[in-house]
Amino acid sequence: QVQLVQSGSELKKPGASVKVSCKASGYTFKSYAMNWVRQAPGQGLEWMGWINTNTGTPTYAQGFTGQFVFSLDTSVSTSYLQISSLKAEDTAVYYCARASGPKRAFDFWGQGTMVTVSS
Amino acid sequence: EVVVTQSPATLSVSPGERVTFSCRASETVNSNLAWYQQKLGQAPRLLMYGASTRAAGIPARFSGSGSGTEFTLTISSLQSEDSAVYYCQQYNDWPRTFGQGTKVEI
Repeated sequence: QVQLVQSGSELKKPGASVKVSCKASGYTFKSYAMNWVRQAPGQGLEWMGWINTNTGTPTYAQGFTGQFVFSLDTSVSTSYLQISSLKAEDTAVYYCARASGPKRAFDFWGQGTMVTVSS
Repeated sequence: EVVVTQSPATLSVSPGERVTFSCRASETVNSNLAWYQQKLGQAPRLLMYGASTRAAGIPARFSGSGSGTEFTLTISSLQSEDSAVYYCQQYNDWPRTFGQGTKVEI
């Protein structure tokens, strides 16, 4: 069965970095794009961008450039989200979600990773 | 970017009732619209894609309709387990955008 399993919760100090992982199983990793979605506490869903799992090419939504980096390790079917220079407003749950093509809905989601930024 | 607007923000309903959610896009998204259900403390789950196609395992009481800029999600007979926030999302254009959600209270 399809699974996207994300790494556990993180507590970081302002200015630190964090790397969230999303390990895929139950399907051919390179056949699906991987998206990243942010949900701040009590707020809605915000699309951060996606990464082409064939080429490794990332695309970032406006507001998610510079500080955020998507990457892959196809040998272990895993996508990564790295966030640098963390600020309190980066506190959120971060989800990975796969899509089967450019104009496809997000059919499976990871369980989410809570990143808390606090001094 | 395509702005997606959902209404109402909150619905208070009783089990067995018929419920309808509205989703409006600021420009046409054709039928490239999805609905997701997010229960408290859980990840979103795909309910509907292509505006009107149920995702695998979704009960038949959920139905979707619309195209272009106006869309609806209907639950024909609300069950207690349907308490959640429902989001619509357009995937016709970049960036992908979500509505702000409709919370269903039972």
